[in-house]
Amino acid sequence: QKEVEQDPGPLSVPEGAIVSLNCTYSNSAFQYFMWYRQYSRKGPELLMYTYSSGNKEDGRFTAQVDKSSKYISLFIRDSQPSDSATYLCAMSLSNDYKLSFGAGTTVTVRA
Amino acid sequence: GAVVSQHPSWVICKSGTSVKIECRSLDFQATTMFWYRQFPKQSLMLMATSNEGSKATYEQGVEKDKFLINHASLTLSTLTVTSAHPEDSSFYICSASRSQAFFGQGTRLTVV
Repeated sequence: QKEVEQDPGPLSVPEGAIVSLNCTYSNSAFQYFMWYRQYSRKGPELLMYTYSSGNKEDGRFTAQVDKSSKYISLFIRDSQPSDSATYLCAMSLSNDYKLSFGAGTTVTVRA
Repeated sequence: GAVVSQHPSWVICKSGTSVKIECRSLDFQATTMFWYRQFPKQSLMLMATSNEGSKATYEQGVEKDKFLINHASLTLSTLTVTSAHPEDSSFYICSASRSQAFFGQGTRLTVV
């Protein structure tokens, strides 16, 4: 069993739709949870960062963490074609930034 | 925001040669940097933790004699793929941290 599970998709949605992404994990010791966006042949860029359980909102992005279920989610509202990318969840035991990544979900937003 | 620069962005080398990849933190000092490897349509796999002034810490299954890491200063870590073979072809990405992990733009290595 992988430490972090993420459906690789691909996921295709029309412009303006809500994109829903999620990851599950097995290690209950994870404390820090992140979502990264990666364009083809580029390094990941941080979208959302959450410590422990709870919700966090930043513009069109909402991240949710449910530690009791070992489940995290990312929602993108009013999706745009420029949101087309691969989205990676990541998590770490401490703030030492040693990250365990999900496989990434490829998202295409159709104009 | 903080910037991490990785060089080269792509490289093609002959089998048996060595390739060096540089990772620089441009506007902050990083005592720790991380090196990841990513295969097509797969996630980033942590290879090693690069520690300034001391030996790198390698993840299980990563050959330390194959992937040499040097972190000689607070702004530079290098990864050298020694005696490269076609199976070493991959996308290599470094990260350095200051309040969050910043990633380099990655290096696509193709060994022919």
